[in-house]
Amino acid sequence: DVKVTQSSRYLVKRTGEKVFLECVQDMDHENMFWYRQDPGLGLRLIYFSYDVKMKEKGDIPEGYSVSREKKERFSLILESASTNQTSMYLCASNRAGRNQPQHFGDGTRLSIL
Amino acid sequence: SQQGEEDPQALSIQEGENATMNCSYKTSINNLQWYRQNSGRGLVHLILIRSNEREKHSGRLRVTLDTSKKSSSLLITASRAADTASYFCATDGRTGGFKTIFGAGTRLFVKA
Repeated sequence: DVKVTQSSRYLVKRTGEKVFLECVQDMDHENMFWYRQDPGLGLRLIYFSYDVKMKEKGDIPEGYSVSREKKERFSLILESASTNQTSMYLCASNRAGRNQPQHFGDGTRLSIL
Repeated sequence: SQQGEEDPQALSIQEGENATMNCSYKTSINNLQWYRQNSGRGLVHLILIRSNEREKHSGRLRVTLDTSKKSSSLLITASRAADTASYFCATDGRTGGFKTIFGAGTRLFVKA
């Protein structure tokens, strides 16, 4: 089974801090994704990556950056955390190509105080 | 903008009953997927239906797709308390590259 592991289930940080969320997948997937999930809004794509060192902006990239130095690892960075970035963050991965389902981690619930 | 929109937003049924959730979308698609999310966990892929398919089954799940109406439905038969979760439809468009767009979800409560 595919396993997508997010480094923290819960995280509390302060406004202005630089925050790193880590995600690792073990199935050699080409694509990796970062979403945030807020009540009533579903999942919104922040960034995705289709290869090492490659990244593409999603729908809401402002205030975030990403890093993919190795194929299995995709990091989300909040450059200067703000309270409106309090949310559930979900990482996912899938194989390249059409009709490939995404496999999700269990999420990181991030609170910015 | 949301591509997939689920209906209803919340559904409460008794154990043993069938649960039907609907999804509408706006643009042409390659496929439509349904995912399940238990409280506090990530999404789990349930089933994928391609744009040239009309119906698909997987265990107690039945998915239909009507591309002329841009809609899909997910039927869970003989529901169990363990089916309590949020269910999301997601679409991969014919344009837009890698982008999968998720709806806001239907929260299903199955009472024992």
